[in-house]
Amino acid sequence: KAGVTQTPRYLIKTRGQQVTLSCSPISGHRSVSWYQQTPGQGLQFLFEYFSETQRNKGNFPGRFSGRQFSNSRSEMNVSTLELGDSALYLCASSLGGLAGEGAETQYFGPGTRLLVL
Amino acid sequence: KNQVEQSPQSLIILEGKNCTLQCNYTVSPFSNLRWYKQDTGRGPVSLTIMTFSENTKSNGRYTATLDADTKQSSLHITASQLSDSASYICVVKGQAGTALIFGKGTTLSVSS
Repeated sequence: KAGVTQTPRYLIKTRGQQVTLSCSPISGHRSVSWYQQTPGQGLQFLFEYFSETQRNKGNFPGRFSGRQFSNSRSEMNVSTLELGDSALYLCASSLGGLAGEGAETQYFGPGTRLLVL
Repeated sequence: KNQVEQSPQSLIILEGKNCTLQCNYTVSPFSNLRWYKQDTGRGPVSLTIMTFSENTKSNGRYTATLDADTKQSSLHITASQLSDSASYICVVKGQAGTALIFGKGTTLSVSS
């Protein structure tokens, strides 16, 4: 079974631009969560989608948005990029429960490393 | 405020030695606690998941303990190997409907 895949793996953008990152969950998984990881803050929750609906959202500005398609693939978009958006963006999938509920395991992708210049 | 604190921030040990990583949390109510291993350049991989009623859980050379009364958890690594060099992240799930809360991790370096 293929794992969680994320594209692209690396990205360089300049301030003010926008970016779209893609995540394909493990086959059969319907829940997709997005996280931002930086050396100073560690992993921080962005949002979670299930059946094309956002179920939960972290404390990030509205410049960060996402969506999920009927095949469970998900995209996240960051508009008007700032230097502080440079980070590793991780996607994780799980079968269907809210991320972390019960003993359900989340499976992470390798991440997309975004550098904003 | 719900927080997860990990210690030490970094650790260097010799191959073959044991080590213990600590995680203290203030999340309440508590649902479950997870330990993840993250190799450099990769996404985190789940090691253990413990619910409120579980005190210990093992995964090979990794053993996690949980004391829900004191809100503390530890991850013990036995007979360390070079491949154990990674960041170990403690994650706590609070009440239903809330997001996972991540610690900042402990960076473990195993040297030969």
